Amino acid sequence: EAQVTQNPRYLITVTGKKLTVTCSQNMNHEYMSWYRQDPGLGLRQIYYSMNVEVTDKGDVPEGYKVSRKEKRNFPLILESPSPNQTSLYFCASSSLLGLGNTIYFGEGSWLTVV
Amino acid sequence: KQEVTQIPAALSVPEGENLVLNCSFTDSAIYNLQWFRQDPGKGLTSLLLIQSSQREQTSGRLNASLDKSSGRSTLYIAASQPGDSATYLCAVRPIKNYGQNFVFGPGTRLSVLP
Repeated sequence: EAQVTQNPRYLITVTGKKLTVTCSQNMNHEYMSWYRQDPGLGLRQIYYSMNVEVTDKGDVPEGYKVSRKEKRNFPLILESPSPNQTSLYFCASSSLLGLGNTIYFGEGSWLTVV
Repeated sequence: KQEVTQIPAALSVPEGENLVLNCSFTDSAIYNLQWFRQDPGKGLTSLLLIQSSQREQTSGRLNASLDKSSGRSTLYIAASQPGDSATYLCAVRPIKNYGQNFVFGPGTRLSVLP
């Protein structure tokens, strides 16, 4: 079954404590991306990756890091989380071959920074 | 930069009604347009994908149309049911890479009343 898996699904953490949200896809997709979703602001792209070792900033990259060492994994790193990073985070993936392909989303990760 | 808007922001209808959700985008140079459904606190589920060369796609009670030249798409839901209550988002895949492979609208929150 085609899946994008994120962990953890729910996390409460304290300001400044580094955390990583993992994302894994089993579809051999080249493209992966992280979004955050906030009330009234919709989905905003944080970072994306077109392939292994190729990453680029989206609209709201400040305070986040990513890496793409393997095709299937695209972790989101918050080096020093702050309360304004409290949000619902989504990882997504898509094939870049045949540009009509759909984009698949993970179930989301609720992050609260206190 | 490609921008996507959706009207209305929220809609409440009695069960059984047919309804139309609207999506507009500013740049007609797209590969495809996709409609998603999102239940509260959940991930996004793809409903319909329309390639740029297509005019419409149908799945069950859902029909999506695309008028690329005018930058518009509609999602038609026939005989609405309470289970259709969710937020519906549209997204386009721009041909020009503005740094984003998918650009999302803010969504329409639909409530179908029994």
